[in-house]
Formats: sequence, structure tokens, C-alpha cells
Amino acid sequence: GENVEQHPSTLSVQEGDSAVIKCTYSDSASNYFPWYKQELGKRPQLIIDIRSNVGEKKDQRIAVTLNKTAKHFSLHITETQPEDSAVYFCAVAYSSASKIIFGSGTRLSIRP
Amino acid sequence: DAGVIQSPRHEVTEMGQEVTLRCKPISGHNSLFWYRQTMMRGLELLIYFNNNVPIDDSGMPEDRFSAKMPNASFSTLKIQPSEPRDSAVYFCASSPWTSRAYEQYFGPGTRLTVT
Repeated sequence: GENVEQHPSTLSVQEGDSAVIKCTYSDSASNYFPWYKQELGKRPQLIIDIRSNVGEKKDQRIAVTLNKTAKHFSLHITETQPEDSAVYFCAVAYSSASKIIFGSGTRLSIRP
Repeated sequence: DAGVIQSPRHEVTEMGQEVTLRCKPISGHNSLFWYRQTMMRGLELLIYFNNNVPIDDSGMPEDRFSAKMPNASFSTLKIQPSEPRDSAVYFCASSPWTSRAYEQYFGPGTRLTVT
């Protein structure tokens, strides 16, 4: 079945710097790659997603890049702010399976 | 829309007791998912339903766990008998799961503590 690996497990960056989280997957049929953010004590919420026919997508300070050949995708957060502190999950899905497989999560801390 | 609704929000029970968690998905969504989250194991998919039919329950830990979806607006996750290692946050999520929309909307979760 599909396997998703996420790195790093923890990440600490200075406020204003950039943060990058990377994920790799195993199933070449995967065609949907969302990222979820979970603040402490809250539910996971979708922040950005990308489909397999697109290589990069941006939404203000966050962006996701996808390399289907290498089977990896990354989340980039620029000009980090304290409210970016959270656990971030990558995930993969393919339409025929109708389920999402989540990575193990990255705990991002923003140092003031 | 009120979003995905879960009840109870917190549950404390003694080992051996039956626990029932409830979920009301977003109206119109045809897929429903039950997850368990712990520090050690992260976010685990337990079971999911499409159009009220269980599709994949391979994530259900053992026979003590069971889930039902009697109609499009209600699902339950039952643990009988409960054990301390079942302590976790249980999330329900729903999704429209069309060819253009796969986003999962999570409920607030139920924090279960088994003593």
C-alpha cells in the first residue's frame, strides 16, 4: 500500500526565516497532495493542496512543490511568524482509493 | 454549516467499560473517516465509509473496536471493552470526495481517557 515519509519530525526556525518540510511517497498512482496544519489542541485543517498535473502552487506565504518523477513534495513557508507554530502533516491520495494517507507530522516552532 | 460534529468532546471511563463516540458529518459529504491520534503513533486512519458503506477497516486495532454508519448523517465508533492503551484523541472527518474535491474536514475530536 501507499507509504508516506515526512522529514524532519521537528523544526525550529527564527521568526522571519523560511521553513521547509519534505515528504516522499511510494505509489506512482497518487494524484493529490494536501498539507494540513494542526495547532495545539485543535483539529487538523487543510492549508494548501496540489494535484499531480501541477508542479508548484502558492498561497501568500506558503507554497508547495511537487516532483512526480522523484515522488516527493515539499511545503515552503516564508517570512515565518509566531502563529505558524504548529504540527504540519503532508498527505497523499489517489482518487480510486478515496482515502488520504498522512505523514507522521512535523512540529514547527518559531523562535521570537 | 456547523461543520463536522463530534460528541462527547471529552470522555473519561474505567477500563472494561464500553465507550461510544459519535459523529455527524457535513451534510452532502459522502465519505466519512475515523482517525485516532496519539503522540507515539501520530494520526492513524481506523476506518472509512463511502455512501454509508465501510470500505476499509484495516486500521481498526482489534475486535474491540467497531464502527457503524446507519445513515448519511450519523456514525459511531464503539470500543468494548476499553483499555488504558485506547486513550487518545479520536477524530471524525468527512469529505465530498468528488473528482474535484478531496478535502477532508475534521471534527473537533473526542479526547478519550481510559483509567
